[in-house]
Amino acid sequence: DGGITQSPKYLFRKEGQNVTLSCEQNLNHDAMYWYRQDPGQGLRLIYYSQIVNDFQKGDIAEGYSVSREKKESFPLTVTSAQKNPTAFYLCAIRDRGPSGGYTFGSGTRLTVV
Amino acid sequence: GESVGLHLPTLSVQEGDNSIINCAYSNSASDYFIWYKQESGKGPQFIIDIRSNMDKRQGQRVTVLLNKTVKHLSLQIAATQPGDSAVYFCAETMEYGNKLVFGAGTILRVKS
Repeated sequence: DGGITQSPKYLFRKEGQNVTLSCEQNLNHDAMYWYRQDPGQGLRLIYYSQIVNDFQKGDIAEGYSVSREKKESFPLTVTSAQKNPTAFYLCAIRDRGPSGGYTFGSGTRLTVV
Repeated sequence: GESVGLHLPTLSVQEGDNSIINCAYSNSASDYFIWYKQESGKGPQFIIDIRSNMDKRQGQRVTVLLNKTVKHLSLQIAATQPGDSAVYFCAETMEYGNKLVFGAGTILRVKS
């Protein structure tokens, strides 16, 4: 996935638990993003970070938290406040090309059991 | 508002035919429009982009057309192959490229 790694690939969470999804990149890119994808739907932005120690809420940030302590890492925590967390989560980095397109990781599928 | 949408949720084509996937957008201020391909269980992959001051851009077997008058974007795939079966998303850059807004997607099914 072009130097961006998400783990785990599959994750199961019990109701009321917090879980953390990992996203690591070795491409030295500044901007990183988290998207959520529900079946048959497009991608919705959760959080993004333009630089270390800084991040902004996306369109559906409620029930999620992030940190950006290191340039190469942007973990996403799905908290118990997220009432419908079952989804496919995608991490992305912003490419350096003029279009500002993104390179995505392979995703983490989170299921509440 | 900020939205990018697709006309057709599913498109079925015969192998070897050309495919046309359409997208409507509502924000006229975007600098770039991008097409992504997503195979089952994987992250989206970049296909082609087009700058807002262009009408057409060609890649390998793909062409993107931009009609700013009617705010319409299309992706043409020539000689569609079974490996082209996937979900295709159009996306629109916002806030000077700091955000990417995605449409709902079109499922392309290629029949052999």
